[in-house]
Amino acid sequence: GAVVSQHPSRVICKSGTSVKIECRSLDFQATTMFWYRQFPKQSLMLMATSNEGSKATYEQGVEKDKFLINHASLTLSTLTVTSAHPEDSSFYICSAHISTEAFFGQGTRLTVV
Amino acid sequence: KQEVTQIPAALSVPEGENLVLNCSFTDSAIYNLQWFRQDPGKGLTSLLLIQSSQREQTSGRLNASLDKSSGRSTLYIAASQPGDSATYLCAVIGSNFNKFYFGSGTKLNVKP
Repeated sequence: GAVVSQHPSRVICKSGTSVKIECRSLDFQATTMFWYRQFPKQSLMLMATSNEGSKATYEQGVEKDKFLINHASLTLSTLTVTSAHPEDSSFYICSAHISTEAFFGQGTRLTVV
Repeated sequence: KQEVTQIPAALSVPEGENLVLNCSFTDSAIYNLQWFRQDPGKGLTSLLLIQSSQREQTSGRLNASLDKSSGRSTLYIAASQPGDSATYLCAVIGSNFNKFYFGSGTKLNVKP
């Protein structure tokens, strides 16, 4: 099946710093990628839709300036958590679709201390 | 707005048992439904994809059914094994193709 690679798998950062998470489609091109956040024992919450060559579309309640998304190429989308705080600690997952089948990255565990 | 519900939230069974996980959705205008497996701290692995025109899909010991009109899907796992222990998520995508709606998952524990 198609492969979506996410990096890093884990990151610990100090409060106030910024963290960048990468999502790559390894064997296909993705004009659209999706970023999710998952709280403990809960399902995935869509944060934003990343569009290659244009601005991301954010879900209601998600701060655009807090979660910066860049989709500069057909195989790479990045999510930058700016001025991270402990409440941003979570599991972040990206996905890309081939037709309507979704393929997910391995996820990134962010811990802000 | 589409809402996806999974029952039960957690399930513990002895090894070898057959089991059924349930998924329901409120808006039947879906394009397809996908079942995923998630291991602790990991991403999602796609198990089965059922298109709206299909009634079921099978892969090994897994069988997923879809009744679009009633807004239901089931994932049947035959002869469960400890390695099947994980959280199982179902998700639907609408005809606009732009958003998946996830259920909250069923956490399965298969005891040796």
